[in-house]
Amino acid sequence: GNSVTQMEGPVTLSEEAFLTINCTYTATGYPSLFWYVQYPGEGLQLLLKATKADDKGSNKGFEATYRKETTSFHLEKGSVQVSDSAVYFCALSVNTGGFKTIFGAGTRLFVKA
Amino acid sequence: DTAVSQTPKYLVTQMGNDKSIKCEQNLGHDTMYWYKQDSKKFLKIMFSYNNKELIINETVPNRFSPKSPDKAHLNLHINSLELGDSAVYFCASSYGQVESNEQFFGPGTRLTVL
Repeated sequence: GNSVTQMEGPVTLSEEAFLTINCTYTATGYPSLFWYVQYPGEGLQLLLKATKADDKGSNKGFEATYRKETTSFHLEKGSVQVSDSAVYFCALSVNTGGFKTIFGAGTRLFVKA
Repeated sequence: DTAVSQTPKYLVTQMGNDKSIKCEQNLGHDTMYWYKQDSKKFLKIMFSYNNKELIINETVPNRFSPKSPDKAHLNLHINSLELGDSAVYFCASSYGQVESNEQFFGPGTRLTVL
């Protein structure tokens, strides 16, 4: 089946620290991979995506590389800010007789000043 | 101009009541979705519609009935509300049945069943 597993939170970091949020997936077919971010009281919004193996998605200093050999799509940022505090969702989309997006459980990030 | 809008933002009601949540998108998308997010932030697809046609129905109780009068609207009606229906419900939309296309989410409707 199709599933997404991401590291449990919360993750608490100091400002300017390095961030990694791990995400691994299982999928039939060739999925596209996404990171969405949810700020408090808001809906999800796309942070970055990668549509094929070895692609790197990047946005606002965040990066993730589609690793087919390890079925992973880890999110990284070199220096986090307080404004990055949010819940981060790893997701995959695949067409298995019906187009579907499957989300991980979400990882809450707190960044302290 | 809001891309995906939902009304109401908050909904507090008694067990057994019937309620509706409305969703509209002005992005010209042809696919719309309903998701349920529980208190632990877990997000689960409920329904998706493409060009007003039901595509995905994820074993949701038949108390939940989506209705898509046109491509820009997908409403959710819930009958006989139960305590376990308390959650945040998100509407989303995307263009085409293509797995590489992102989804655009509304701000959510927080439903509390007392």
